Amino acid sequence: DTEVTQTPKHLVMGMTNKKSLKCEQHMGHRAMYWYKQKAKKPPELMFVYSYEKLSINESVPSRFSPECPNSSLLNLHLHALQPEDSALYLCASSTRQMNTGELFFGEGSRLTVL
Amino acid sequence: ELKVEQNPLFLSMQEGKNYTIYCNYSTTSDRLYWYRQDPGKSLESLFVLLSNGAVKQEGRLMASLDTKARLSTLHITAAVHDLSATYFCAVGETSGSRLTFGEGTQLTVNP
Repeated sequence: DTEVTQTPKHLVMGMTNKKSLKCEQHMGHRAMYWYKQKAKKPPELMFVYSYEKLSINESVPSRFSPECPNSSLLNLHLHALQPEDSALYLCASSTRQMNTGELFFGEGSRLTVL
Repeated sequence: ELKVEQNPLFLSMQEGKNYTIYCNYSTTSDRLYWYRQDPGKSLESLFVLLSNGAVKQEGRLMASLDTKARLSTLHITAAVHDLSATYFCAVGETSGSRLTFGEGTQLTVNP
């Protein structure tokens, strides 16, 4: 099984809402990632978790809060977002934090902030 | 800071033709990846290139890596419409876990 599963696939939220994006993988990967992708642009790294510990935060605003409850799950909690945060949010996993292995991406969660 | 440049950014080609997409990067790395993305979809891994001189082929696509020139190429042979997509190269830092993506090449193959 080489799948990374993300839910929900689509999310519409207001600027005062609190919501969460979820990501799950059962490949035994110990590194998990959140990327943000705007239309017609490359993915931008947001967070990296290695062995369930946050190892990289690319200066992401605190309205995005990641959480890694266990080695298979990764969440992204959203609160007080802005319309410019609307994007495709991609979760990925890899065999090692150092990226010697390829990244496996989920299908993404398309977020619209009204 | 690692910079990755792809060219061309837009490529319109006819079915049956050959073409090459180029990926240049600015600092030493021995890990380079090619991904495909269809509109509204996620990224699909195409090739993982981990050493100088690496060449990999899958169907009509062939990727190569020259770490001395800091250059990777993605060659398309006898293009078909199904290859229409955006192709990204991504380069891993020698130390650290960041993967830097190129801007992407939007490929359209016309009948």
